[in-house]
Amino acid sequence: KQEVTQIPAALSVPEGENLVLNCSFTDSAIYNLQWFRQDPGKGLTSLLLIQSSQREQTSGRLNASLDKSSGRSTLYIAASQPGDSATYLCAVPPGIDQLIWGAGTKLIIKP
Amino acid sequence: GAGVSQSPSNKVTEKGKDVELRCDPISGHTALYWYRQSLGQGLEFLIYFQGNSAPDKSGLPSDRFSAERTGGSVSTLTIQRTQQEDSAVYLCASSPWADTQYFGPGTRLTVL
Repeated sequence: KQEVTQIPAALSVPEGENLVLNCSFTDSAIYNLQWFRQDPGKGLTSLLLIQSSQREQTSGRLNASLDKSSGRSTLYIAASQPGDSATYLCAVPPGIDQLIWGAGTKLIIKP
Repeated sequence: GAGVSQSPSNKVTEKGKDVELRCDPISGHTALYWYRQSLGQGLEFLIYFQGNSAPDKSGLPSDRFSAERTGGSVSTLTIQRTQQEDSAVYLCASSPWADTQYFGPGTRLTVL
């Protein structure tokens, strides 16, 4: 049974710092891995999707890596800004439907 | 307690037919969200209900899509005149207010 774990559960850093969020999964047989952002009162925003054949994806100040063999993914945020404050979720689809979600990392960027 | 439930879990329909997808949120949750995920793509926001406020329909892809939430609880997503590009997994989530969203297992829709 696939399980997804995110560490840390919460993180507070000063503005401008680079930071890394971690996601681990127990079953390496995944189609892809997705990172999302969750803002209070708003729908989820999909940030990055890494296919199982890829090692990383980049979008602006975000870079996500995937190591299937070790069951890990990291989300790197460069030059953090207060607007980056949100909960970040990773999820994997063990099949072509449904998603197994991590519990999320609540990120606070202090001005 | 019971989580978010969705029905059916799988739906196969013919192009041009209408379909209804159901979501039962966690009891007491005021917010309800619909998303869809097409194969190999990221999650796409569709619509958001919060209490008795007018829903945020900004994510609905066309006027063939509509959603209702009756009595502040159960929600139905209706797709009229389905097209093959509507094939996706449709996810529902609920939350106590503007808080962590709890997702249902999804409905996999296949339009032939």
